[in-house]
Amino acid sequence: AQSVSQHNHHVILSEAASLELGCNYSYGGTVNLFWYVQYPGQHLQLLLKYFSGDPLVKGIKGFEAEFIKSKFSFNLRKPSVQWSDTAEYFCAIHQAGTALIFGKGTTLSVSS
Amino acid sequence: DTEVTQTPKHLVMGMTNKKSLKCEQHMGHRAMYWYKQKAKKPPELMFVYSYEKLSINESVPSRFSPECPNSSLLNLHLHALQPEDSALYLCASSQGGTGGNGYTFGSGTRLTVV
Repeated sequence: AQSVSQHNHHVILSEAASLELGCNYSYGGTVNLFWYVQYPGQHLQLLLKYFSGDPLVKGIKGFEAEFIKSKFSFNLRKPSVQWSDTAEYFCAIHQAGTALIFGKGTTLSVSS
Repeated sequence: DTEVTQTPKHLVMGMTNKKSLKCEQHMGHRAMYWYKQKAKKPPELMFVYSYEKLSINESVPSRFSPECPNSSLLNLHLHALQPEDSALYLCASSQGGTGGNGYTFGSGTRLTVV
């Protein structure tokens, strides 16, 4: 069965620091990959997605992610975080015939 | 309209009550989902409806009963819930089958069972 691992449970950064959140998945077949963000008290929002093509995908709010097939990874990055990026971040995968499966999430706290 | 609308936003119910959660989308999406999310945890899949038919039931207890009256509406009927069922219930929708293009999520119903 497919699964998603997010290595960082809680990340604490100062404003302007660079961010990288790890995500690995277990399924070896074709998957679609996603990062969602959940701001405090708000609903899940799609940050970016990867289906095929250029493994470096750019999303909203300055986020990007790189798909590395050989490492089964889809890490999220942002060069310079802001206080407003404080949120819960979920990596998710989708395999044909199933529904979206989420990782356990990473809490990002950014101090100003 | 690019939203998934869930009502009510908050619900408090007793263990003997019957209540329903509602979800609506007008994006023409043909797959709709119920997820349950506990605090600081990822959403857990409960049910999937694809083209108005139940396609996935993740072994959810029968006290949760989903219904899809039409392609725009999804309900979750609740009966005889337990306090541990208190959580944020999220509805989502996606184009086509089971949503390889990504889902649009509603803001959720925060359910408290007393």
